[in-house]
Formats: sequence, structure tokens, C-alpha cells
Amino acid sequence: AQSVTQLDSQVPVFEEAPVELRCNYSSSVSVYLFWYVQYPNQGLQLLLKYLSGSTLVKGINGFEAEFNKSQTSFHLRKPSVHISDTAEYFCAVISGGSYIPTFGRGTSLIVHP
Amino acid sequence: SAVISQKPSRDICQRGTSLTIQCQVDSQVTMMFWYRQQPGQSLTLIATANQGSEATYESGFVIDKFPISRPNLTFSTLTVSNMSPEDSSIYLCSVGTGRGTEQFFGPGTRLTVL
Repeated sequence: AQSVTQLDSQVPVFEEAPVELRCNYSSSVSVYLFWYVQYPNQGLQLLLKYLSGSTLVKGINGFEAEFNKSQTSFHLRKPSVHISDTAEYFCAVISGGSYIPTFGRGTSLIVHP
Repeated sequence: SAVISQKPSRDICQRGTSLTIQCQVDSQVTMMFWYRQQPGQSLTLIATANQGSEATYESGFVIDKFPISRPNLTFSTLTVSNMSPEDSSIYLCSVGTGRGTEQFFGPGTRLTVL
């Protein structure tokens, strides 16, 4: 069965600093990869996705992620965070011919002024 | 994309009672899903809501506890039956647009059971 590991449960960072949220997955077959963001008291919103093609994917709000097949990773990055980026971030993977994603446990990004 | 609304947005209920959560989508969709997100946890799929047939439940979830209706391609309900404090959670409705594609989520229903 597919599994998704988000190595950091919480990442504190100061405003305007860079950040990386890590995500590793277990499947060796073809995968589709997603990052979602959940702001307080809201549902999940898609940040970015990798389906095929360029391994560097750019998303909304200045976020980007890089698909690394050899390391089975899909880390999320932002060069300069804002207070408004404080939220929960979920990595998700769909493998094979499925349409149901497996979600990681989430990483809480806390941006301090 | 799809715009999804849920009712109620939150509720506080007594143990032993039931709550029905509604999910409305602004367009016809084939796949609708119900998730549970317990405090500080990730999302757990409860079931896939199938239009015109019984929902498909994931391991650990049963129809008697979480009956689901899907009368058409834009609407679904999830009932949490005979609630206990362990059912306190966020319940999320989502829709999928096809294999290998992202899901779109509703804002969630925050349930507290006393």
C-alpha cells in the first residue's frame, strides 16, 4: 500500500526566511503528487501538482516543489515566507490507476514576525 | 475546478444523537468523497459516495454508523449516527474529476460531541 511521510510535524520560521517542507512517498510505480494547504478553519486548497513533465513545479502563492524520482521525494519550498503562509500543509500521492490520494500527516508551518 | 459548500459549518451535539452533513457542488461530478480529519491528524477517507448505488466504505467504516446518500450528481449527505465523543472531528466532502487528478474540498464541518 502507498504511504506518504511528512518528516516534520511542525516547522517554525521567521518572516521572509526560506522554508522547505519535506515529503517522501513509498510507491515505485508511476505517481501523481500534490501539495494542499489548509488555513485555519478552512478546507484544503490545492497549492500545486506534479502529473508529468518538468520535475520542478510552480504553484500558487510563490510555492514550488521538485519531484525526485530516485529519492521518492516531493519537497515543497518557498524562498521567502509571509505571516499569511501560516497554515497546515499536506502532501498527497495518487499511484497507478487510482483516483483516491493517500495523504501525509501534515506539517504545520508557523511563520513568526 | 468546483465550488463546494457544506452545511452545517460546525455543531455541538450530545452523545447518542445523530447529525446529517450536507455537501453541495456547483457542477455535476462523478466522484464524491467523505473524509474525516481528527484533531492534529491527517485525512482519512470514510467512503466514496456513488450516485444511484450504495456508497463504498473504507476499512474501519460501516454503513450503520456513517450512512451516505447521493441522490444526484451535485449533492450528497453523510450522517454520523449514535455519536460518541470519539466522533469529534472535522468532516470534509470532496470531489474528484478523474483518475490521477486533484480533489476539490469543501470547507468542512467541525463536529464536537459532548
